Amino acid sequence: GEDVEQSLFLSVREGDSSVINCTYTDSSSTYLYWYKQEPGAGLQLLTYIFSNMDMKQDQRLTVLLNKKDKHLSLRIADTQTGDSAIYFCAGCKYIFGTGTRLKVLA
Amino acid sequence: DVKVTQSSRYLVKRTGEKVFLECVQDMDHENMFWYRQDPGLGLRLIYFSYDVKMKEKGDIPEGYSVSREKKERFSLILESASTNQTSMYLCASSFDQGLEQYFGPGTRLTVT
Repeated sequence: GEDVEQSLFLSVREGDSSVINCTYTDSSSTYLYWYKQEPGAGLQLLTYIFSNMDMKQDQRLTVLLNKKDKHLSLRIADTQTGDSAIYFCAGCKYIFGTGTRLKVLA
Repeated sequence: DVKVTQSSRYLVKRTGEKVFLECVQDMDHENMFWYRQDPGLGLRLIYFSYDVKMKEKGDIPEGYSVSREKKERFSLILESASTNQTSMYLCASSFDQGLEQYFGPGTRLTVT
């Protein structure tokens, strides 16, 4: 069946860049999404990329899509303590990754 | 501003009780979803609805049912709660299938 995989944890120092990776099996999604979940809250859309794009930049966020390898990544530049959260990648068919818990150390 | 609300943030129920979780969205979205979130497993789709009175099973529908009598409201029902249904339940809605979803704050259900 369809699957989306992410590593469970990532720890970075404040000011460094964070890279969160995701691999997926279903290549039919028109869009691929990154959601952020802060403690005690639901998910909020962070950014997305259209499947015919390789890269999208949105302020501190850069999304890279490698369709050949079915690999999606989210890079957060100048990571801040407020970026500490769980990050989920998702395609169009309601399949979410396991989520990556990002911890930012001051 | 887009809003999805869930009836309770925290709920404690006993094994065997019937449990209702309510979700309301104010965006006139066609599609609504119920997920459960467990550590290390991410979000798993329980049921979704693409129109009033219409529903589709997700990946883990066993032990759950749903009701969508009005467009803005989607209810998740646990007919006879069991301890393995202790989880965080998230409701979401979207304008169209495949588009971004808007999530409620979640209901943390504990079944004792």
